Amino acid sequence: SQTIHQWPATLVQPVGSPLSLECTVEGTSNPNLYWYRQAAGRGLQLLFYSVGIGQISSEVPQNLSASRPQDRQFILSSKKLLLSDSGFYLCAWSVQKPTDTQYFGPGTRLTVL
Amino acid sequence: AQKITQTQPGMFVQEKEAVTLDCTYDTSDQSYGLFWYKQPSSGEMIFLIYQGSYDEQNATEGRYSLNFQKARKSANLVISASQLGDSAMYFCAMRERRNAGNMLTFGGGTRLMVKP
Repeated sequence: SQTIHQWPATLVQPVGSPLSLECTVEGTSNPNLYWYRQAAGRGLQLLFYSVGIGQISSEVPQNLSASRPQDRQFILSSKKLLLSDSGFYLCAWSVQKPTDTQYFGPGTRLTVL
Repeated sequence: AQKITQTQPGMFVQEKEAVTLDCTYDTSDQSYGLFWYKQPSSGEMIFLIYQGSYDEQNATEGRYSLNFQKARKSANLVISASQLGDSAMYFCAMRERRNAGNMLTFGGGTRLMVKP
């Protein structure tokens, strides 16, 4: 069966520091991968998605970037964090057939101070 | 314009009763999908149920059913026999074709609280 891992689970970082969040998927090949951010009490906002290694599409311009160095690995990065980057970051995977249902990881709670 | 609207920010339901969570959507696509997710306090988004735009029958998954009214563009989630563990945030989402892949757009969510 498929599983998705995210780490770290929680992170407290100072403004201006770098960021690296990692997401890995097991039990499937060639998944679509997604990064979402959720502000407190709000819905999910899609940040990046990837349909293959090295293929990244950005939905929202910001100081974050994403990379997919391996088929089942998705990394969210920043060179300098802003206060507004605080939130709950969720990674998800899907395969197109039959319904392209997205399955989410446990999330990373990021607080920027 | 909002693509997914959930008009109930919070709802109470008595344990063992049924509850309906509302969701309306807006799209010009003929092919799309509708999803419901549950988010407990732990934060993980749990997939509950899926309805395709061409599906003629309403989707059901255990105690969850989706009341799909295509002409009204609504996809309400019905939870039967509510349990205390159903207390959580519930999100409706729509899948549309965009650029290189299928994307999900989420509603703002409904917080369901089950009373013992």
